[in-house]
Amino acid sequence: DQQVKQNSPSLSVQEGRISILNCDYTNSMFDYFLWYKKYPAEGPTFLISISSIKDKNEDGRFTVFLNKSAKHLSLHIVPSQPGDSAVYFCAASARRNAGNMLTFGGGTRLMVKP
Amino acid sequence: KAGVTQTPRYLIKTRGQQVTLSCSPISGHRSVSWYQQTPGQGLQFLFEYFSETQRNKGNFPGRFSGRQFSNSRSEMNVSTLELGDSALYLCASSLSSLGTEAFFGQGTRLTVV
Repeated sequence: DQQVKQNSPSLSVQEGRISILNCDYTNSMFDYFLWYKKYPAEGPTFLISISSIKDKNEDGRFTVFLNKSAKHLSLHIVPSQPGDSAVYFCAASARRNAGNMLTFGGGTRLMVKP
Repeated sequence: KAGVTQTPRYLIKTRGQQVTLSCSPISGHRSVSWYQQTPGQGLQFLFEYFSETQRNKGNFPGRFSGRQFSNSRSEMNVSTLELGDSALYLCASSLSSLGTEAFFGQGTRLTVV
């Protein structure tokens, strides 16, 4: 039973345009969400996080939106750059119950074309 | 500030052997978590240690164990290795146990032959 799902295994966008990566979750206990970027054979790099008390968090070109009623979050990258090409994972935790235990989605491979 | 350091980076072991992986967290971070990444199962949580105590454990067999030392460094041990244990093992450090950003190391690529 996948509690965190990224339904798009891949996404291709043109340089300079917006990239939108989506993530759905089923566990209503999740109250903290994170996005990571990963290159092959390397550890994930933390990008941005959002607490369930917020619906939006911004950091430079990265914005995360959270829709609690739909149990859906998305990562927007504007403008997209070729260096953004990587696999993106969303992760969730139920901080009150399980502290730092992260449940990951399956990842979305983003390709940004010059 | 140094990041999370995992050693060794690569390891080849034979079925039935045991292996120990090491993780040094970011200075000041007291929580260390371990994850396994495989092509079929994705990133899966193994366990978390905070102040030398295991706080959470994922759904892995007892062959997978870990510990944390007083300086927050952590080790993970896998006994009686199986071919299916071949994976990228990732360590993440966090400032506290209250659910904060987790920063990952480069990982240890374990191959069981």
